[in-house]
Amino acid sequence: DVKVTQSSRYLVKRTGEKVFLECVQDMDHENMFWYRQDPGLGLRLIYFSYDVKMKEKGDIPEGYSVSREKKERFSLILESASTNQTSMYLCASSFPGSEVQPQHFGDGTRLSIL
Amino acid sequence: SQKIEQNSEALNIQEGKTATLTCNYTNYSPAYLQWYRQDPGRGPVFLLLIRENEKEKRKERLKVTFDTTLKQSLFHITASQPADSATYLCALYPSGTYKYIFGTGTRLKVLA
Repeated sequence: DVKVTQSSRYLVKRTGEKVFLECVQDMDHENMFWYRQDPGLGLRLIYFSYDVKMKEKGDIPEGYSVSREKKERFSLILESASTNQTSMYLCASSFPGSEVQPQHFGDGTRLSIL
Repeated sequence: SQKIEQNSEALNIQEGKTATLTCNYTNYSPAYLQWYRQDPGRGPVFLLLIRENEKEKRKERLKVTFDTTLKQSLFHITASQPADSATYLCALYPSGTYKYIFGTGTRLKVLA
């Protein structure tokens, strides 16, 4: 079974802090994703990576950056946290391919910015 | 504008009945559509995928239909059980893109 592990289930940070959210997958997936999930808005894609050191902006990249130095690890960075970044953050991974593959999600990090 | 809509109101049904959830979309041409289940405090879990040229897909008690003319997918759970209570998300994979577009989900509660 694929396992996607997010480093923290709950995190509380202050405005202006630099925040790191870590995600590790154990299935050698090329594709990794970061989403945020907010009530009434669903999952929104922040960033996507299809290979080591490669990244693509999603729909809401402002205020975020990412790092993928190793295939199994994808980090989301909040450069200077703000209260509107309080949310549930979900990491996912999948195989690439001509056929669309299911995404495998971690259990999320609930981040509160005070 | 592009939209993907799921009924935001919770669906309550009696155990043993068939639950039917709806996913409607506008201004997309999805090559694929997926359904996920999400339990409180957990990440979504993949259930089923259906391609644009498929009308129906089944897996055990689950059935998904995909009507590209109506721009709608229906997700059915037959002989529903309280353990099926969760939020169900649909996700489109539009042609020519690399990303999934998720609906906001419908919460299903199966009453014993």
